[in-house]
Amino acid sequence: EIVLTQSPDTLSLSPGERATLSCRASQSLRNNYLAWYQQRPGQTPRLLIYGASSRATGIPDRFSASGSGTDFTLTISRLEPEDFAMYYCQHYSSPLFTFGGGTKVEIK
Amino acid sequence: QLQLQESGPGLVKPSETLSLTCTVSGGAVSDSCCFWGWIRQPPGKGLEWIGSINSRGVTYYNPSLKSRVTISVDTSKNQFSLRLSSVTAADTAVYYCARFRGPNDYWGQGTLVTVSS
Repeated sequence: EIVLTQSPDTLSLSPGERATLSCRASQSLRNNYLAWYQQRPGQTPRLLIYGASSRATGIPDRFSASGSGTDFTLTISRLEPEDFAMYYCQHYSSPLFTFGGGTKVEIK
Repeated sequence: QLQLQESGPGLVKPSETLSLTCTVSGGAVSDSCCFWGWIRQPPGKGLEWIGSINSRGVTYYNPSLKSRVTISVDTSKNQFSLRLSSVTAADTAVYYCARFRGPNDYWGQGTLVTVSS
């Protein structure tokens, strides 16, 4: 089973600042099959990124992601008020999916 | 537009079986593109993948839940279902159904299931 470790647990930033979130896998992900989700309080998770770096439909270009193998990064270039939320990474490189523990991006 | 909707009891007694159904509209569970499955989120905690199924009935389960989980699909009703046996308070969570086209691109709104006597 692949374990995903996200860091930091919490990121305290101000609107307009840049956010950098990390996701590390316990083993290399086949085809870089890694996704990122955003979950606002009380809402359903929303797919942001798939294939490690491709934005899902309708996702603003201030969201970008990169990485390969075991190390992946989600970057929000300039935080908007609606971006303060939980972010989860997920691998789908095997039929046994797992999620990371999440990073909370909170207003400083 | 694809939509998924969970249904089932919101309260289950300890040691009993939790049963939920997901009804799909705007698309077909018989579509060979995808798997369909369940994800849960205990209150205040993170997401946990429970398991997935495709239209041919091929299933994959989270190893930590495998002994208690059954996911099935009914293509005639365009639904898939979750059964989780021998529940305890630790199974209290919001349960989401979702489409797995690689990642989860469509989700139901989620349903809170509380395990309590």
